[in-house]
Formats: sequence, C-alpha cells, structure tokens
Amino acid sequence: DAGITQSPRHKVTETGTPVTLRCHQTENHRYMYWYRQDPGHGLRLIHYSYGVKDTDKGEVSDGYSVSRSKTEDFLLTLESATSSQTSVYFCAISDWTGLYNEQFFGPGTRLTVL
Amino acid sequence: LAKTTQPISMDSYEGQEVNITCSHNNIATNDYITWYQQFPSQGPRFIIQGYKTKVTNEVASLFIPADRKSSTLSLPRVSLSDTAVYYCLVGDASSGNTPLVFGKGTRLSVIA
Repeated sequence: DAGITQSPRHKVTETGTPVTLRCHQTENHRYMYWYRQDPGHGLRLIHYSYGVKDTDKGEVSDGYSVSRSKTEDFLLTLESATSSQTSVYFCAISDWTGLYNEQFFGPGTRLTVL
Repeated sequence: LAKTTQPISMDSYEGQEVNITCSHNNIATNDYITWYQQFPSQGPRFIIQGYKTKVTNEVASLFIPADRKSSTLSLPRVSLSDTAVYYCLVGDASSGNTPLVFGKGTRLSVIA
C-alpha cells in the first residue's frame, strides 16, 4: 500500500471551532488532494496541490483552506467548523508514471461537527 | 472535464461476469478513462486505466470502442467480496493539474 496517512482518524468538534486535518505521504508524489464524501454525493474534491505551495480549489472549496509547505504534508483547515462540514474526509496522492496516473487514497478522517 | 454517466446500481450472482458501462460523450483527445473501486469505510482503490481498445490486468478488463464515447469495465467471475461502489472517471491523466472528478458511481451487489 502507498505510504499515506491521515490524522486524526476521528474527530468530534463544536460549531465555530477551527479544525486542521493532516495528510502525510512518504511516496514523494507531486499531486495531493482533499475530498469529502457524504451519503448520496460520492466523492467531491475540496482542494488540490500540484507542488509545494501550489494549490487550487476544487468543486466544494467554500469554508476550507489548505497549505502545503513541504512535499510530504498537505493540511486541510476548517477555519470555523459548521455542521454541514460533518463528513468523511479523504486525502489522495498521485503522480504520472509516463504510462498511467493512479490516485492512492488515505484511510479517511471522520469529522463530526456538533 | 468530461462528464460521465453510469448506472446507479447493479446486482449479480456469484461466479458471473459483470459488465458496467460508462458513457462519456464529450471525452477529449487527451483524456484517459479510469475506474476505481470503493468498499465501505475505505478510500477508493484504482482498478484500471486505459486510453483506447482493450486493457486487461489481474483484476479486470476495460473495453473502449473506437469512438471512445463509452467504456465497459468487465469483472470476471465476481465473488461476494466484489460488492462495492465502482467509479468511472475521465480526464487527462498525464496532468494532475486537472484532477479527475468522481461521480456517484455504480453500487454493485453480489449475491450468493
């Protein structure tokens, strides 16, 4: 399995508090992504990174920010958590091998905002 | 990004071959077709990726007609453990600057 971890794996927090989720990789892959998954919606892209300090918005970026200060870490921050951000968050990494591009997913973080 | 359409759900008996078709009418020249599998409480897992004709690996086959407006994921002799959600994605796999978009996928249920 690809070396990708997420922390924390579970978190319960209250509305209005800041939350930071961490994604760490040991594969030296260039691209990193944050998704959220909710029942009936599949996976939706929040933000992604195509290099250190290079990030861009995905389809559901409102209320989230990201940072990537080094290749191996990609942080997702909820500045002021809301109940609508209760979800399972997946981090993914990828790179182009010259033949194909495979995304490897982390184990997920289950976030509950009360 | 090319939009994909796939069935919401499918049922199959153990031991049968399962074919899941995905439509992508506005696929671009540089786009690849990629399929992922997701089990409950886990992140998606790459199954197969192709550009044209047929691609086969130890898990599945991917059939892509000449016009590339659709593709079919073929799972041979499914077992109960193949019960999962299968996602079809289309996009330029050579560039991570344009991430692939996951739809809602096809929920496959394998019955004993």
